[in-house]
Amino acid sequence: QKEVEQNSGPLSVPEGAIASLNCTYSDRGSQSFFWYRQYSGKSPELIMFIYSNGDKEDGRFTAQLNKASQYVSLLIRDSQPSDSATYLCAVNMGVTSYDKVIFGPGTSLSVIP
Amino acid sequence: DTEVTQTPKHLVMGMTNKKSLKCEQHMGHRAMYWYKQKAKKPPELMFVYSYEKLSINESVPSRFSPECPNSSLLNLHLHALQPEDSALYLCASSQEAGYSPLHFGNGTRLTVT
Repeated sequence: QKEVEQNSGPLSVPEGAIASLNCTYSDRGSQSFFWYRQYSGKSPELIMFIYSNGDKEDGRFTAQLNKASQYVSLLIRDSQPSDSATYLCAVNMGVTSYDKVIFGPGTSLSVIP
Repeated sequence: DTEVTQTPKHLVMGMTNKKSLKCEQHMGHRAMYWYKQKAKKPPELMFVYSYEKLSINESVPSRFSPECPNSSLLNLHLHALQPEDSALYLCASSQEAGYSPLHFGNGTRLTVT
């Protein structure tokens, strides 16, 4: 089982819709969960981070964490064409490798005007 | 503007050359990371420094040699690279290793000829 997995893309949504991005992780000891956006040819840009079970909202973005299910998601409301990018889920590994932050394979999102 | 500065932006080197990639941050972060990213793949962790000590080495070949002269600087020394080492090399920093969000530099695009 890979350490961090994401729903396979590409994902296409119409402008104004909600985009839902999912991520699962293998290490039950993981404590820190991050979502990054990466445009082609650019470096990853932090969107959200979450540490506790439940929802965390920031503007149009909501991160959801369920540690029991080892699942973290990102919802993008009122999707805009400028949201078209690759979304990367990143997770720190558990107690034995706490400093390791591993990225999932990414989900490509395309928002259609 | 990124708060993590990487130089050079682009580097072309032969397989017998020795070169270095440099990374600098002035955010007072105590952890610094090197990632390698190939086209259409996620960033792949190489090294983590925490409080200027190497804490993670992801079994990286010895032709890559990291160095952390102080808490603000991170170098990656390159020697006898192979063409398959051509990639985008990303430096990141975080307040605490593993726990805090990573802030990425713009990367160095390396081509090995």
